[in-house]
Amino acid sequence: QVQLVASGGGLVKPGESLRLSCAASGFTFSDYYMSWIRQAPGRGLEWLSYISATGNTISYAGSEEGRFTISRDNAKNSLFLQVNSLRVEDTALYYCVRERRATGIYYFDLWGQGTLVTVSS
Amino acid sequence: DIQMTQSPSSLSASVGDRVTITCRASQSIAIYLSWYQHKPGKAPKLLIYAASNLQSGVPSRFSGSRSGTDFTLTINSLQPEDFATYFCQQSYSTPYSFGQGTKLEI
Repeated sequence: QVQLVASGGGLVKPGESLRLSCAASGFTFSDYYMSWIRQAPGRGLEWLSYISATGNTISYAGSEEGRFTISRDNAKNSLFLQVNSLRVEDTALYYCVRERRATGIYYFDLWGQGTLVTVSS
Repeated sequence: DIQMTQSPSSLSASVGDRVTITCRASQSIAIYLSWYQHKPGKAPKLLIYAASNLQSGVPSRFSGSRSGTDFTLTINSLQPEDFATYFCQQSYSTPYSFGQGTKLEI
């Protein structure tokens, strides 16, 4: 079954860190760019970061670079997002998403159900 | 950064209706525009990519079009399962950005 299953969310205090994980199955994980996208309560979707298929190319939304670190382990079909110095405004549902890159056209063709991160004192 | 302005934010319709949702990009994004459907508690689903290409498995009542920096998602003959939130997304340049979403309600 082709799917992405994110985990690692939870209730944390401001200033703490979390490492989110995403397990991919049913497809050749190492062929795809992957992204993290989040949705805060009552707000729209926000793209955070992508990592290339080999892990050699990484991009971050400008506002998050420095606190967020994306990585992957192709041998374990896994994607990660390390989030440091968490803030209340980081409270959101975090999605792991597969990016399809075909003939120069990019789009997100597979989404996981997300893992919820709640930052509160 | 590219801003995506989506309208309307909500829409009431009935089964069998034809509805249109619009996204406007703040600058040229060529055809780098996708549309997604999101139902509560479920993973978002890709409907349209490259402005007008129907994703495999998506019913043909969904269609997308482009006029300059304006993009439209059209749903013909609404079905009960189509009531959901729809959002657009540009992939022309990073940071990728999304419209605010349109909640389609009965």
